[in-house]
Amino acid sequence: QLQLQESGPGLVKPSQTLSLTCTVSGGSISSGNYYWSWIRQHPGKGLEWIGYIYYNGNTYYNPSLKSRVTISIDKSKSQFSLNLSSVTAADTAVYSCARTGHSYFDSWGQGTLVTVTS
Amino acid sequence: EIVLTQSPGTLSLSPGERATLSCRASQSVRSSYLAWYQHKRGQAPRLLIYGASSRATGIPDRFSGSGSGTDFNFTISRVEPEDFAVYYCQQYDNSRMFTFGQGTKLEVK
Repeated sequence: QLQLQESGPGLVKPSQTLSLTCTVSGGSISSGNYYWSWIRQHPGKGLEWIGYIYYNGNTYYNPSLKSRVTISIDKSKSQFSLNLSSVTAADTAVYSCARTGHSYFDSWGQGTLVTVTS
Repeated sequence: EIVLTQSPGTLSLSPGERATLSCRASQSVRSSYLAWYQHKRGQAPRLLIYGASSRATGIPDRFSGSGSGTDFNFTISRVEPEDFAVYYCQQYDNSRMFTFGQGTKLEVK
């Protein structure tokens, strides 16, 4: 069974870069049938898709975050990562990784809370 | 960007009752690009329905989806105790954007 697990610091200072990693197990991150996404949920708010990466490194980002987001992949470690630069309190959220099929997310990690605070 | 509006915000029902959730889009959504998820606190969201009406693997048949264009519905024929959670609709559009509705909380009456 496919499992995704997010990891990274739970606290980030304003103006710094938020960095998270998603480790994929029970399936291949190199499958050409899927993309690998990051999604976040602000406290008490809805879900926001951040972007995705394909196994070959191709990426696509939410235009609202594009200038600050980088998603990368390390197939040897079965991991993909999120970097979000110049964070503010508005970036405080639960960040989740998910396997992305044709148009939906069929497996998710549990999510990790990242708080931006000085 | 296509905005999805879910209603009601909260639905209070007793086990055994029928639940009907609505998801309305600001623009027409291709049916094959509309999905529904269940999210329980502290757990990973779970894909229930994709393509507006197809159940994901292992999803009980009490869960169903319907609709087209800008109006989509999600139904639980008979609510079980484990079904109390937040439900989200989600769409994917031609600009390669994914957006979610704000969620409907299904709570015990």
